[in-house]
Amino acid sequence: NAGVTQTPKFQVLKTGQSMTLQCAQDMNHEYMSWYRQDPGMGLRLIHYSVGAGITDQGEVPNGYNVSRSTTEDFPLRLLSAAPSQTSVYFCASSYSAGATGELFFGEGSRLTVL
Amino acid sequence: GEDVEQSLFLSVREGDSSVINCTYTDSSSTYLYWYKQEPGAGLQLLTYIFSNMDMKQDQRLTVLLNKKDKHLSLRIADTQTGDSAIYFCAESTEYGNKLVFGAGTILRVKS
Repeated sequence: NAGVTQTPKFQVLKTGQSMTLQCAQDMNHEYMSWYRQDPGMGLRLIHYSVGAGITDQGEVPNGYNVSRSTTEDFPLRLLSAAPSQTSVYFCASSYSAGATGELFFGEGSRLTVL
Repeated sequence: GEDVEQSLFLSVREGDSSVINCTYTDSSSTYLYWYKQEPGAGLQLLTYIFSNMDMKQDQRLTVLLNKKDKHLSLRIADTQTGDSAIYFCAESTEYGNKLVFGAGTILRVKS
Protein backbone atom coordinates (compact mmCIF):
# COMPACT_ATOMS: atom_id res chain seq x y z
CA ASN A 1 0.00 0.00 0.00
CA ALA A 2 2.03 2.97 -1.30
CA GLY A 3 -0.04 5.88 0.10
CA VAL A 4 1.46 9.24 -0.93
CA THR A 5 4.64 9.01 -3.00
CA GLN A 6 6.91 11.98 -3.62
CA THR A 7 9.84 12.21 -6.01
CA PRO A 8 12.61 13.16 -5.94
CA LYS A 9 13.61 12.86 -2.27
CA PHE A 10 16.56 15.22 -2.71
CA GLN A 11 17.34 17.84 -5.33
CA VAL A 12 19.92 20.60 -5.74
CA LEU A 13 19.16 23.43 -8.15
CA LYS A 14 20.89 26.57 -9.27
CA THR A 15 19.12 29.90 -9.04
CA GLY A 16 16.87 30.40 -12.04
CA GLN A 17 16.44 26.72 -12.90
CA SER A 18 13.00 25.18 -13.05
CA MET A 19 11.86 21.78 -11.86
CA THR A 20 8.82 19.75 -10.92
CA LEU A 21 8.23 17.89 -7.68
CA GLN A 22 6.02 14.90 -8.28
CA CYS A 23 3.28 13.67 -5.97
CA ALA A 24 1.06 10.65 -6.50
CA GLN A 25 -1.47 8.97 -4.23
CA ASP A 26 -3.20 5.64 -4.72
CA MET A 27 -6.00 6.10 -2.17
CA ASN A 28 -8.50 7.79 -4.51
CA HIS A 29 -8.36 10.93 -2.36
CA GLU A 30 -10.14 14.03 -3.62
CA TYR A 31 -8.08 16.53 -1.69
CA MET A 32 -4.35 17.06 -2.28
CA SER A 33 -2.02 19.79 -1.07
CA TRP A 34 1.57 20.96 -0.96
CA TYR A 35 3.28 22.33 2.15
CA ARG A 36 6.75 23.62 2.74
CA GLN A 37 8.52 23.09 6.05
CA ASP A 38 11.08 25.59 7.26
CA PRO A 39 12.89 25.60 10.63
CA GLY A 40 10.95 27.44 13.31
CA MET A 41 8.00 28.10 10.99
CA GLY A 42 6.13 24.82 10.86
CA LEU A 43 4.36 23.85 7.67
CA ARG A 44 2.93 26.46 5.36
CA LEU A 45 0.36 25.68 2.68
CA ILE A 46 1.48 26.46 -0.87
CA HIS A 47 -1.37 25.19 -3.09
CA TYR A 48 -4.20 22.76 -2.75
CA SER A 49 -6.75 20.95 -4.88
CA VAL A 50 -10.23 19.71 -3.99
CA GLY A 51 -10.53 17.53 -7.08
CA ALA A 52 -9.29 16.95 -10.62
CA GLY A 53 -9.23 20.21 -12.56
CA ILE A 54 -9.60 22.39 -9.44
CA THR A 55 -6.68 24.11 -7.71
CA ASP A 56 -6.34 27.09 -5.41
CA GLN A 57 -3.66 29.08 -3.63
CA GLY A 58 -2.60 28.61 -0.06
CA GLU A 59 -0.62 30.88 2.22
CA VAL A 60 2.65 31.04 0.21
CA PRO A 61 1.89 30.41 -3.50
CA ASN A 62 4.33 32.82 -5.16
CA GLY A 63 6.93 31.14 -7.35
CA TYR A 64 5.00 27.86 -7.58
CA ASN A 65 2.48 26.42 -10.03
CA VAL A 66 0.28 23.36 -9.73
CA SER A 67 -2.14 21.42 -11.89
CA ARG A 68 -4.45 18.50 -11.22
CA SER A 69 -5.27 16.65 -14.41
CA THR A 70 -5.97 13.34 -12.65
CA THR A 71 -7.19 12.34 -9.19
CA GLU A 72 -3.89 10.58 -8.48
CA ASP A 73 -1.28 13.22 -9.38
CA PHE A 74 -0.57 16.71 -8.10
CA PRO A 75 2.81 18.03 -9.34
CA LEU A 76 4.38 21.21 -7.96
CA ARG A 77 6.39 23.31 -10.40
CA LEU A 78 9.07 25.80 -9.47
CA LEU A 79 9.24 28.21 -12.36
CA SER A 80 12.55 29.97 -11.60
CA ALA A 81 14.13 28.68 -8.42
CA ALA A 82 15.38 31.12 -5.78
CA PRO A 83 17.44 30.47 -2.62
CA SER A 84 14.35 31.39 -0.56
CA GLN A 85 12.72 28.22 -1.92
CA THR A 86 15.27 26.03 -0.17
CA SER A 87 13.01 23.92 2.02
CA VAL A 88 11.49 20.52 2.63
CA TYR A 89 8.32 20.05 0.61
CA PHE A 90 5.51 17.76 1.67
CA CYS A 91 2.59 16.56 -0.37
CA ALA A 92 -0.51 15.54 1.59
CA SER A 93 -3.87 14.10 0.65
CA SER A 94 -7.21 13.52 2.28
CA TYR A 95 -10.32 11.54 1.43
CA SER A 96 -12.42 14.63 0.71
CA ALA A 97 -12.44 18.35 1.20
CA GLY A 98 -14.31 19.22 4.36
CA ALA A 99 -13.45 15.96 6.07
CA THR A 100 -12.06 15.79 9.61
CA GLY A 101 -8.62 16.83 8.46
CA GLU A 102 -6.74 13.56 8.53
CA LEU A 103 -4.04 14.35 6.05
CA PHE A 104 -1.80 11.58 4.75
CA PHE A 105 1.71 12.88 4.11
CA GLY A 106 4.46 11.81 1.76
CA GLU A 107 7.99 11.43 3.06
CA GLY A 108 9.07 14.83 1.79
CA SER A 109 11.35 16.26 -0.88
CA ARG A 110 14.37 18.22 0.30
CA LEU A 111 15.25 21.00 -2.12
CA THR A 112 18.37 23.15 -2.00
CA VAL A 113 18.69 26.17 -4.28
CA LEU A 114 22.21 27.56 -4.66
CA GLY B 1 -5.24 35.78 10.54
CA GLU B 2 -4.81 32.32 11.92
CA ASP B 3 -1.77 31.63 14.05
CA VAL B 4 -0.68 28.60 16.04
CA GLU B 5 2.16 28.76 18.57
CA GLN B 6 4.05 26.03 20.40
CA SER B 7 7.09 25.81 22.62
CA LEU B 8 10.06 24.56 20.63
CA PHE B 9 11.61 21.90 22.85
CA LEU B 10 10.72 19.50 25.66
CA SER B 11 12.98 16.97 27.35
CA VAL B 12 11.63 14.24 29.65
CA ARG B 13 12.87 11.02 31.22
CA GLU B 14 11.57 7.68 30.04
CA GLY B 15 8.49 6.70 32.03
CA ASP B 16 7.55 10.26 32.92
CA SER B 17 4.57 12.11 31.45
CA SER B 18 5.09 14.67 28.69
CA VAL B 19 2.86 17.69 28.22
CA ILE B 20 3.10 19.64 24.98
CA ASN B 21 1.24 22.95 24.82
CA CYS B 22 -0.21 24.94 21.97
CA THR B 23 -2.11 28.21 21.63
CA TYR B 24 -4.16 29.30 18.64
CA THR B 25 -5.82 32.54 17.68
CA ASP B 26 -8.78 31.65 15.46
CA SER B 27 -11.88 31.28 17.61
CA SER B 28 -13.78 29.73 14.68
CA SER B 29 -11.52 26.67 14.61
CA THR B 30 -13.61 23.56 14.11
CA TYR B 31 -11.02 20.83 14.68
CA LEU B 32 -7.67 20.85 16.43
CA TYR B 33 -5.05 18.23 15.72
CA TRP B 34 -1.83 16.72 16.92
CA TYR B 35 0.54 15.32 14.31
CA LYS B 36 3.82 13.47 14.92
CA GLN B 37 6.88 13.63 12.67
CA GLU B 38 9.67 11.11 13.11
CA PRO B 39 13.12 11.83 11.62
CA GLY B 40 13.18 11.72 7.83
CA ALA B 41 9.46 11.04 7.57
CA GLY B 42 6.25 12.86 6.83
CA LEU B 43 3.69 13.80 9.45
CA GLN B 44 1.23 11.30 10.87
CA LEU B 45 -2.02 12.14 12.58
CA LEU B 46 -1.93 11.23 16.27
CA THR B 47 -5.29 12.48 17.39
CA TYR B 48 -7.77 15.29 16.93
CA ILE B 49 -10.48 16.97 18.96
CA PHE B 50 -13.64 18.71 17.86
CA SER B 51 -13.99 22.24 19.15
CA ASN B 52 -17.08 21.46 21.26
CA MET B 53 -15.15 18.92 23.34
CA ASP B 54 -13.00 19.62 26.41
CA MET B 55 -11.05 16.40 26.54
CA LYS B 56 -10.26 13.33 24.51
CA GLN B 57 -8.37 10.26 25.68
CA ASP B 58 -6.82 7.65 23.43
CA GLN B 59 -4.65 5.07 25.20
CA ARG B 60 -1.56 6.95 26.43
CA LEU B 61 -2.66 10.22 24.85
CA THR B 62 -4.86 12.83 26.50
CA VAL B 63 -5.88 16.00 24.67
CA LEU B 64 -7.22 18.93 26.66
CA LEU B 65 -8.90 21.90 25.01
CA ASN B 66 -9.57 25.20 26.76
CA LYS B 67 -11.59 27.08 24.20
CA LYS B 68 -11.88 30.22 26.31
CA ASP B 69 -8.09 30.60 26.48
CA LYS B 70 -7.57 29.04 23.01
CA HIS B 71 -5.16 26.54 24.56
CA LEU B 72 -4.61 22.95 23.50
CA SER B 73 -2.38 20.41 25.20
CA LEU B 74 -1.22 16.88 24.50
CA ARG B 75 -0.25 14.66 27.41
CA ILE B 76 1.67 11.47 26.73
CA ALA B 77 1.65 9.10 29.69
CA ASP B 78 4.59 6.76 30.39
CA THR B 79 6.71 8.40 27.69
CA GLN B 80 8.98 6.01 25.79
CA THR B 81 12.12 6.59 23.73
CA GLY B 82 10.04 5.79 20.65
CA ASP B 83 7.97 8.90 21.38
CA SER B 84 10.97 11.11 20.55
CA ALA B 85 9.81 13.13 17.55
CA ILE B 86 8.48 16.53 16.54
CA TYR B 87 4.86 17.15 17.53
CA PHE B 88 2.79 19.63 15.55
CA CYS B 89 -0.38 21.30 16.68
CA ALA B 90 -2.77 22.31 13.87
CA GLU B 91 -6.19 23.86 13.44
CA SER B 92 -8.75 23.93 10.66
CA THR B 93 -11.62 26.24 9.93
CA GLU B 94 -13.26 26.50 6.52
CA TYR B 95 -12.20 23.22 4.98
CA GLY B 96 -11.66 20.39 7.42
CA ASN B 97 -8.29 19.65 5.88
CA LYS B 98 -6.92 23.12 5.03
CA LEU B 99 -4.79 23.06 8.15
CA VAL B 100 -2.69 25.76 9.82
CA PHE B 101 0.28 24.25 11.64
CA GLY B 102 2.40 25.43 14.52
CA ALA B 103 6.20 25.37 14.30
CA GLY B 104 6.42 22.02 16.10
CA THR B 105 7.74 20.91 19.50
CA ILE B 106 10.79 18.66 19.58
CA LEU B 107 10.28 15.99 22.25
CA ARG B 108 13.44 14.31 23.49
CA VAL B 109 13.06 11.28 25.74
CA LYS B 110 16.08 10.34 27.83
CA SER B 111 16.53 6.74 28.93
